[in-house]
Amino acid sequence: EAGVVQSPRYKIIEKKQPVAFWCNPISGHNTLYWYLQNLGQGPELLIRYENEEAVDDSQLPKDRFSAERLKGVDSTLKIQPAELGDSAVYLCASSPDSTYEQYFGPGTRLTVT
Amino acid sequence: GQQLNQSPQSMFIQEGEDVSMNCTSSSIFNTWLWYKQDPGEGPVLLIALYKAGELTSNGRLTAQFGITRKDSFLNISASIPSDVGIYFCAVRNDYKLSFGAGTTVTVRA
Repeated sequence: EAGVVQSPRYKIIEKKQPVAFWCNPISGHNTLYWYLQNLGQGPELLIRYENEEAVDDSQLPKDRFSAERLKGVDSTLKIQPAELGDSAVYLCASSPDSTYEQYFGPGTRLTVT
Repeated sequence: GQQLNQSPQSMFIQEGEDVSMNCTSSSIFNTWLWYKQDPGEGPVLLIALYKAGELTSNGRLTAQFGITRKDSFLNISASIPSDVGIYFCAVRNDYKLSFGAGTTVTVRA
C-alpha cells in the first residue's frame, strides 16, 4: 500500500512569493491533516479535512495561508505571500477517519530567503 | 497546544546498549503515541498506547502508558545504528495530536 505522497520535497523561494504544496493521502483515507514543523519541535496541526470539508482550520493563519481538498482526495496548501518565518517543514498526514491513528508523508521543506 | 515534557532532549547510544526516554504531561490523556522521525522524512508511528498501565512491545521497542495517564516511557533494547533519529511522544485528544519536542538519538563515536 502506498503511503502519503507529498510534493515537492524541497522548495526555496524569495519572501513575498507564493508557494503551494501538494498531498495525496493513503487510498481510502477520508481524513487529511496539514501540519507545520519548525526546527527542533514536534509537528503542529494547521488544518483538518473530513472528505472535502475543512472541519478544523482554527490554527491556520488565514491572512496568508489557504488550503483546499476539492474532491475529497488530494489537497493543496498555499502560502501567499511567503515570509521568512514560514521556513519550516510542512507535513501532510491521513487516517481512515478521525478516530484512527495518523500516517505522515515525508514533508516539504520550505526555505524562504 | 498541550505541553508535553520529553526527556532527555538528546542522547548518545552505543551499539548494543539499552536506552530509555520518557514523556510527562500535566493533564490526563487516554492515548499516548511514540513516533520516530528520520532526517528528511515524516514521523512514523512506532507504538500506540490506549490503556493506563499498558505495556506494549514492537520488536526491540517497549513503551508503557503510565498508571496516572500523565506519562509514558519508551525503551529501546540492544540498540543498533539505525535507531538514530528523533523520537517524539504525542498524545491524542479526539483527533488532535500534541507532540513533545523530541529526543534526538545519535551514535556515540
